[in-house]
Amino acid sequence: NAGVTQTPKFRILKIGQSMTLQCAQDMNHNYMYWYRQDPGMGLKLIYYSVGAGITDKGEVPNGYNVSRSTTEDFPLRLELAAPSQTSVYFCASSYTGRAGNTIYFGEGSWLTVV
Amino acid sequence: GENVEQHPSTLSVQEGDSAVIKCTYSDSASNYFPWYKQELGKRPQLIIDIRSNVGEKKDQRIAVTLNKTAKHFSLHITETQPEDSAVYFCAASIRGSGGGADGLTFGKGTHLIIQP
Repeated sequence: NAGVTQTPKFRILKIGQSMTLQCAQDMNHNYMYWYRQDPGMGLKLIYYSVGAGITDKGEVPNGYNVSRSTTEDFPLRLELAAPSQTSVYFCASSYTGRAGNTIYFGEGSWLTVV
Repeated sequence: GENVEQHPSTLSVQEGDSAVIKCTYSDSASNYFPWYKQELGKRPQLIIDIRSNVGEKKDQRIAVTLNKTAKHFSLHITETQPEDSAVYFCAASIRGSGGGADGLTFGKGTHLIIQP
């Protein structure tokens, strides 16, 4: 199993540009998440999904959109990039939402908006 | 929503000594408390976790304690080694409630430095 795979690993965007961060998992996990991590800070939940066709907002959803057309894929869309979206983005997945179910993280995507 | 506070932000200890990182949480309904280790430029990785029906859990040199009444939990690392140097994050979650998953609320992290 490759686990959770994110692309791209690094990206520089200009203000106002759009892009999609791709995330795929091959563990047949139902739950998927997108977090952002700002320097010196913990991870904050952007969006999550409990299964194909179902998505919900997390703590910091503004400026982002997601979709979950398949169990495996959970792309994160930035429509109008802003400098405040400069961050490291982590996709993650877990089998269920039950306590004790390990959340597996991807390797991260470093995004800079200039 | 849940709020997790983590202290200290930086902790420097001599190799071989013990390190303790403390977290508090606000929502008494939280029932799952994992700890993640993140090395520079890498992804967070789960090192130990505890559920609310357990007061302490150990795994070799790592232990976690939970005080539900006081709403705080701690990570203890004994006999620290250079490879323990990393940023450690605590987190809290209300999971298994029958509703949807809301992921984890993370603390801001503790940069643990092991001095040779």
